[in-house]
Amino acid sequence: EAGVTQSPTHLIKTRGQQATLRCSPISGHTSVYWYQQALGLGLQFLLWYDEGEERNRGNFPPRFSGRQFPNYSSELNVNALELEDSALYLCASSLVAAFYNSPLHFGNGTRLTVT
Amino acid sequence: QKEVEQNSGPLSVPEGAIASLNCTYSDRGSQSFFWYRQYSGKSPELIMFIYSNGDKEDGRFTAQLNKASQYVSLLIRDSQPSDSATYLCAVAVRAAGNKLTFGGGTRVLVKP
Repeated sequence: EAGVTQSPTHLIKTRGQQATLRCSPISGHTSVYWYQQALGLGLQFLLWYDEGEERNRGNFPPRFSGRQFPNYSSELNVNALELEDSALYLCASSLVAAFYNSPLHFGNGTRLTVT
Repeated sequence: QKEVEQNSGPLSVPEGAIASLNCTYSDRGSQSFFWYRQYSGKSPELIMFIYSNGDKEDGRFTAQLNKASQYVSLLIRDSQPSDSATYLCAVAVRAAGNKLTFGGGTRVLVKP
């Protein structure tokens, strides 16, 4: 069974540009989560999608947005990039919502560097 | 007060000893609790989860949950150098819209 896949592995952008990160969940998983992990910091919750709908978002500005497609894959868009957006962006999927004891399975992440 | 707190460590443990990691959380409505291991430069991988008070064992790992005291712990028995990693505690709160919140992690170093 294929795990969660993310692309690209690395992404280098300049300040002010837009970045698009992609995620394919484990087959059968309908929930997709996005987290940001800046260097030396913990995982910060960004967004949760389930059945194509945004269910919750973390304390991030509106320039962080995304969507979930009918095949449950997801896209994270970051507009007007700032230097502090440089981080590892992790996508995770789960069979159902995590509060139903459904664990998150993480992809290998996209390392975004903003110069 | 942080929603999920962990001692950042490093927790230094001799090979073969028991490593004990603690995690406290602030929201009494927390329902599910997860432990993840993250090697440097890698993504988190699930170790185990627990949702009922008491102990849950899986191989060399034991998770302990005490909802009255709002803490969850992880014991690693017979620690191996390969257990050297950062261990993340995560808490799911349904009332918070299922925002799975992670602690900052505890770095564990197992010395041969």
